[in-house]
Amino acid sequence: KAGVTQTPRYLIKTRGQQVTLSCSPISGHRSVSWYQQTPGQGLQFLFEYFSETQRNKGNFPGRFSGRQFSNSRSEMNVSTLELGDSALYLCASSPGTYPNTEQFFGPGTRLTVL
Amino acid sequence: DQQVKQNSPSLSVQEGRISILNCDYTNSMFDYFLWYKKYPAEGPTFLISISSIKDKNEDGRFTVFLNKSAKHLSLHIVPSQPGDSAVYFCAASETGSQGNLIFGKGTKLSVKP
Repeated sequence: KAGVTQTPRYLIKTRGQQVTLSCSPISGHRSVSWYQQTPGQGLQFLFEYFSETQRNKGNFPGRFSGRQFSNSRSEMNVSTLELGDSALYLCASSPGTYPNTEQFFGPGTRLTVL
Repeated sequence: DQQVKQNSPSLSVQEGRISILNCDYTNSMFDYFLWYKKYPAEGPTFLISISSIKDKNEDGRFTVFLNKSAKHLSLHIVPSQPGDSAVYFCAASETGSQGNLIFGKGTKLSVKP
């Protein structure tokens, strides 16, 4: 089975711009979660999508949004970029059903905001 | 307020010896715990997990122990190998929020030949 893929792997943007990141989950997985990793805050949960619906949401401002398509692929959008948004953005997929199972992570997208 | 804490930022062990990585949590609603290994510029790789109905789970060289009364879990790696050198993250979730993993800040393990 192919793993979780994320595109692009690297992005450089300037303050005020917006960005869209893409994630393709493992085939058959219906849940996609997004995380932000920074040196100071570690790995922080952004949101989770399951069957095209946002099921859980972390404590991030509304500038961070996402969506999921019928094939379970997911996109994350950040509008009005700030310098502090520079981070590694990771997505993870799982079956998403009970009981809990492990999440499988993609390689991440490294976003740099100048 | 950190719900999952890894109080040791780093750990150094000799090849062949045991590595013990520790993790504490505060939320009694957590019922599923995981350990991930991460190399720089890569996504975390799943190692092993444990449900709150168990107190031990083994997978090859990796064993996770859960002490619910102390809200503490640990990962034992025996024997340690140089290839185990990486950052190890402890994570937890609760039923109903299984898509939301709460991570510790990580422990950097160095295994010296």
